[in-house]
Amino acid sequence: QVQLVESGGGVVQPGRSLRLSCAASGFTFPDYGIHWVRQAPGKGLEWVALISYDGNNQYCTDSVKGRFTLSRDNSKNMVFLQMNNLRAEDTAVYYCAKSGESKNLFQHWGQGTLVIVSS
Amino acid sequence: DIVMTQSPDSLAVSLGERATINCRSSQSVLHSSNNKKYLAWYQQKPGQPPKLLIYWASTRESGVPDRFSGSGSGTDFTLTISGLQAEDVAVYYCQQYYNTPLTFGGGTKVEIK
Repeated sequence: QVQLVESGGGVVQPGRSLRLSCAASGFTFPDYGIHWVRQAPGKGLEWVALISYDGNNQYCTDSVKGRFTLSRDNSKNMVFLQMNNLRAEDTAVYYCAKSGESKNLFQHWGQGTLVIVSS
Repeated sequence: DIVMTQSPDSLAVSLGERATINCRSSQSVLHSSNNKKYLAWYQQKPGQPPKLLIYWASTRESGVPDRFSGSGSGTDFTLTISGLQAEDVAVYYCQQYYNTPLTFGGGTKVEIK
């Protein structure tokens, strides 16, 4: 079955960097785009970014442009979210999600990893 | 950006009764090229990640009970739970996948009355 496992979260000071990983299994990884969606404590869902199936295209929300970048290693079924210049408002649980019938649909989700940006 | 507005913020329904959640998009999410509505519904139970319930506004994801149904036009959509069960207590979100940035409604919390 489809499995997505995030890792790399933790507590980091404002302005510092963190790299999240998403390990995938149970599907043909190179065929699907992978999204990151975040959820601040007690709040709703916010889409963060998408990397296309081949890694050649990335899309992200305005609030992270220039600070967050995505990459993927299709030989290892991994996606990475590099987060630089972190801000307090980036504090959230970060989920990776596999696209579905549409590339912008979140068909399967990981359990999430918590990022806390605090001094 | 397409703004998604859900109502109500919360509702309490008796077991076995119907729950109705509304979602409005600030612009149409109906794609003229394929006549498909780019609208999905997710369920999030406490401490869990969201789960896809409905896509293309009315197509149930595999394994989702048929008491969950979706409907709607280009801008106004509804998620209906016919015969609420205890395990349906959750927050429900609508999402447009018509274009980026992908956006969600604020969520509707469903509880048992």
